[in-house]
Amino acid sequence: DTGVSQNPRHKITKRGQNVTFRCDPISEHNRLYWYRQTLGQGPEFLTYFQNEAQLEKSRLLSDRFSAERPKGSFSTLEIQRTEQGDSAMYLCASSSRYTTTNTEAFFGQGTRLTVV
Amino acid sequence: GESVGLHLPTLSVQEGDNSIINCAYSNSASDYFIWYKQESGKGPQFIIDIRSNMDKRQGQRVTVLLNKTVKHLSLQIAATQPGDSAVYFCAEGASGAGSYQLTFGKGTKLSVIP
Repeated sequence: DTGVSQNPRHKITKRGQNVTFRCDPISEHNRLYWYRQTLGQGPEFLTYFQNEAQLEKSRLLSDRFSAERPKGSFSTLEIQRTEQGDSAMYLCASSSRYTTTNTEAFFGQGTRLTVV
Repeated sequence: GESVGLHLPTLSVQEGDNSIINCAYSNSASDYFIWYKQESGKGPQFIIDIRSNMDKRQGQRVTVLLNKTVKHLSLQIAATQPGDSAVYFCAEGASGAGSYQLTFGKGTKLSVIP
């Protein structure tokens, strides 16, 4: 257990429905990242928060995706009007302000989304 | 686009032998590299990292080698154990670009034969 908690662990939803995932980072970490991982592939970057500010977004983050970190602690990732192509593992990671890079990012166990 | 890739998708080694997992990268702006281990159903676990101003770094039973000339990265695991069985990813980042994202390769599955 890395200390990064993600909920739910699994989510099955019907196409067109909205889903929301939650990530609780390690408490003293001010940096938070979301990644998406499809089967057999490496994680792909989605977005990055420093405290409550969303500083970086990937082109993968379409307008159906939105992420928030309102108080600089936990974060949510919402997908609206889900499509089958959204089926993937959604990973959250966090790291400390005391690293100059994110080389010490700790990942959670992910939320496995299946869109049927 | 530029990406991180791997030479071997699968690797089987006998318990006790050394393992070498290779990775090629193409982004010349990358200045740090990380190896992650991912077990089934779990998130990636940090193993070791290396900055671009180094060519070798050692950890507990692991060594990472970086060859910037040919843009090649390797992870050596000494005395491989059954618990080392997992998928291994290399990832690269470019802190100088003001970006905190990591670019991951596809992964190599390591299977340890008892």
